[in-house]
Amino acid sequence: GQLVQSGAEVKKPGESLKISCKGSGYMFSTNWIGWVRQMPGKGLEWMGIIYPGDSDTRYSPSFQGHVTMSADKSISTAYLQWTSLKASDTAMYFCAKVRQPSGAFDVWGQGTVITVSS
Amino acid sequence: DIQMTQSPSSLSASVGERVTITCQASQDISTYLNWYQHKPGQAPKLLIYDASILETGVPSRFSGRGSGTDFTFTISSLQPEDIATYYCQQYDNLFRGTFGQGTKLEI
Repeated sequence: GQLVQSGAEVKKPGESLKISCKGSGYMFSTNWIGWVRQMPGKGLEWMGIIYPGDSDTRYSPSFQGHVTMSADKSISTAYLQWTSLKASDTAMYFCAKVRQPSGAFDVWGQGTVITVSS
Repeated sequence: DIQMTQSPSSLSASVGERVTITCQASQDISTYLNWYQHKPGQAPKLLIYDASILETGVPSRFSGRGSGTDFTFTISSLQPEDIATYYCQQYDNLFRGTFGQGTKLEI
């Protein structure tokens, strides 16, 4: 399997953004997809996961209400969306396929860098 | 929310040396514990899942053990290409996860 993410983004505070993660080479709709944040110089943070088959989502409490995960199984693509970006959203964002039941991320996208600056 | 305490935060070791990293969960997670290697400019790589199962293609010098709340990750003989940051990650019965703080490994 493979995951390919959309390209780097430079945005201003308050702007909205939606980044994508397209899967191939495996059954996209029946495998959970997760999102992981890495802020500059910091560690990995588990944001949440989505099941493309029915769009069931599980968010980390730290990210609930700040981002929205969605998926379109017809085009094997998952999305991560912000309605109003902040400078603190500046980070690298990875999508990754979840291996159940271990919850391990076994296939990773290449990452999308988001820079939020006025 | 389950918290993961990983130690040490950084570690300096020599080539050929045995290296051990620990991860402690704030509550029982059975064996829902995974280990990753992350090199700068790359995506993280899964090394160990279910606490002790080696991912396909990962060298056998990497190993993991533990269950419940206490887990260890070991590199039996450190190689230069093992320089990276290592993370543990738990996964609970509500399908939510948490990473440890990471261990930066240097030679």
